[in-house]
Amino acid sequence: GAVVSQHPSWVICKSGTSVKIECRSLDFQATTMFWYRQFPKQSLMLMATSNEGSKATYEQGVEKDKFLINHASLTLSTLTVTSAHPEDSSFYICSARDREDTGELFFGEGSRLTVL
Amino acid sequence: AQSVAQPEDQVNVAEGNPLTVKCTYSVSGNPYLFWYVQYPNRGLQFLLKYITGDNLVKGSYGFEAEFNKSQTSFHLKKPSALVSDSALYFCAVRDRFVSGAGSYQLTFGKGTKLSVIP
Repeated sequence: GAVVSQHPSWVICKSGTSVKIECRSLDFQATTMFWYRQFPKQSLMLMATSNEGSKATYEQGVEKDKFLINHASLTLSTLTVTSAHPEDSSFYICSARDREDTGELFFGEGSRLTVL
Repeated sequence: AQSVAQPEDQVNVAEGNPLTVKCTYSVSGNPYLFWYVQYPNRGLQFLLKYITGDNLVKGSYGFEAEFNKSQTSFHLKKPSALVSDSALYFCAVRDRFVSGAGSYQLTFGKGTKLSVIP
């Protein structure tokens, strides 16, 4: 089946630093990837949609300069949290759609970011 | 706009008993419907989906769901619950006929925590 790998699983950083999270589709080409943020005991909040080779589309209220998304290839999308602050601490999850569009999205394992 | 409602924050069921996790949806057109499960500090795992065809959909780990168009529901069911089924369950919907990159977005319910009691 389609596998999405997300790295790192856990990251702890100091306030003011930047953190990059990678999302890779291992056995399929992902034309579209989605980035979500999940607060404790809450649902997934869509942050942005990225299509390979084009700029990401951000949801209302998501700061594009804070959360930089790059989708440079059909198998890799990155989310960079710039100048991280404690309020950016969260669980970030990516998902990918394959070219066949079976209707299903394939999810990474998530990345737990803690900003001190 | 599309939306999903999971009316129960938590469902408790005894091991071996049948379980139901409720989901209702709203889309302007015809829906794609999904159930995902999330274990602590993990991503989402796909359980099953309804695209078209039979209203009763069978998925992973013995789960099934019934698409009911008149009631706009897609409840998740399992005949006999296991302790290992304890997790957070998300229902999601996608409008089949929305065009553009946004058409592939899923809208998630808030999640239902299932606890199976030994």
